Amino acid sequence: GEDVEQSLFLSVREGDSSVINCTYTDSSSTYLYWYKQEPGAGLQLLTYIFSNMDMKQDQRLTVLLNKKDKHLSLRIADTQTGDSAIYFCAESITGGGNKLTFGTGTQLKVEL
Amino acid sequence: GAVVSQHPSWVICKSGTSVKIECRSLDFQATTMFWYRQFPKQSLMLMATSNEGSKATYEQGVEKDKFLINHASLTLSTLTVTSAHPEDSSFYICSARDGGKGNQPQHFGDGTRLSIL
Repeated sequence: GEDVEQSLFLSVREGDSSVINCTYTDSSSTYLYWYKQEPGAGLQLLTYIFSNMDMKQDQRLTVLLNKKDKHLSLRIADTQTGDSAIYFCAESITGGGNKLTFGTGTQLKVEL
Repeated sequence: GAVVSQHPSWVICKSGTSVKIECRSLDFQATTMFWYRQFPKQSLMLMATSNEGSKATYEQGVEKDKFLINHASLTLSTLTVTSAHPEDSSFYICSARDGGKGNQPQHFGDGTRLSIL
């Protein structure tokens, strides 16, 4: 079955790097995604990675994928107060009809 | 690009009322749209997959007669909560995929907060 886990909460100081982790169980993942949700809003797609890639970098965001350990991480460099939000990882699986399975979400709090 | 508009953003209505929520893809054609429900401080729960021109596919435990989905065009899907009751109060979010470009991610609307009195 599909199960995607994240730590619930992360607190960092402004300017530091944030690393948000995600573990999943389904080995037939095709794509893995990171979404950001601010209070009362929908989800904003941040970045995504194909399952045969190890790393993807996009400006301040770096995604690392360890397929062997089924571990995904999102690193945010130079974290700003505007980065405070809930971050969800999600996976789509082969033959899954493009459905996404979401992680539990990580609340990132950026302190001055 | 890839903008999804959801309307209304907030609805308050009396118990027994039916409420319609619209989800539009503004700059792409979406053969598939998805409807989610989110409880406070929780993750998203997929309710159904909406396919243009055909019946929606509902997830286990979701009442299709309660949550009516219509996907009549490539840019519009609607979710109607019929005879809503307080337990239907929640945050409903839609997403859409651009079906014409291979493997595309889902893009989300801003959500609709539904409050049933």
